[in-house]
Amino acid sequence: QKEVEQNSGPLSVPEGAIASLNCTYSDRGSQSFFWYRQYSGKSPELIMFIYSNGDKEDGRFTAQLNKASQYVSLLIRDSQPSDSATYLCAVNGDDSWGKLQFGAGTQVVVTP
Amino acid sequence: EPEVTQTPSHQVTQMGQEVILRCVPISNHLYFYWYRQILGQKVEFLVSFYNNEISEKSEIFDDQFSVERPDGSNFTLKIRSTKLEDSAMYFCASSERTSTDTQYFGPGTRLTVL
Repeated sequence: QKEVEQNSGPLSVPEGAIASLNCTYSDRGSQSFFWYRQYSGKSPELIMFIYSNGDKEDGRFTAQLNKASQYVSLLIRDSQPSDSATYLCAVNGDDSWGKLQFGAGTQVVVTP
Repeated sequence: EPEVTQTPSHQVTQMGQEVILRCVPISNHLYFYWYRQILGQKVEFLVSFYNNEISEKSEIFDDQFSVERPDGSNFTLKIRSTKLEDSAMYFCASSERTSTDTQYFGPGTRLTVL
């Protein structure tokens, strides 16, 4: 059974601080990795994608991928109250026709 | 910016009834997907669809489910005989060129089976 694991949280972060979210996955053949943000009752909204080992930055967000350790992370810098949401890690394997395997999500609460 | 759209936003049905959930993927996208999310649980893959065929389906996607692209724009999920446990948010998604491309999600249809 291929799994994607995340800490459920809640992760409480003061406004302006860095939020650090982690995700591990079991399928070594996984090729593409995504972070989605989901507000309560809403659909997943893409934050970042990463395909290669290393860091990828987009504005206040940085994704980090380490395929050897089967680990992907997301950093949110200068956290804002609007960043309060559940962050979903999703993984796409090389033997799948687009099937995204989602983690259960980490709830982030940014406190003013 | 192009978006995936879904209708209806909320569907209430009686157990045993058939429902059709509709999606309009982003117009130049080639791959289409359905996912569901039971309240408080993970987003779960149901099915992927490419070139008018099912590419992959999960164990959840049994004989009561079917998908169709009836014309050049719509993509539908039919649940033939709904059960209480089918109550969930159903999300349609699409991706552009390959199955590893980013998937963009629609707003979802909340299905309530009574």
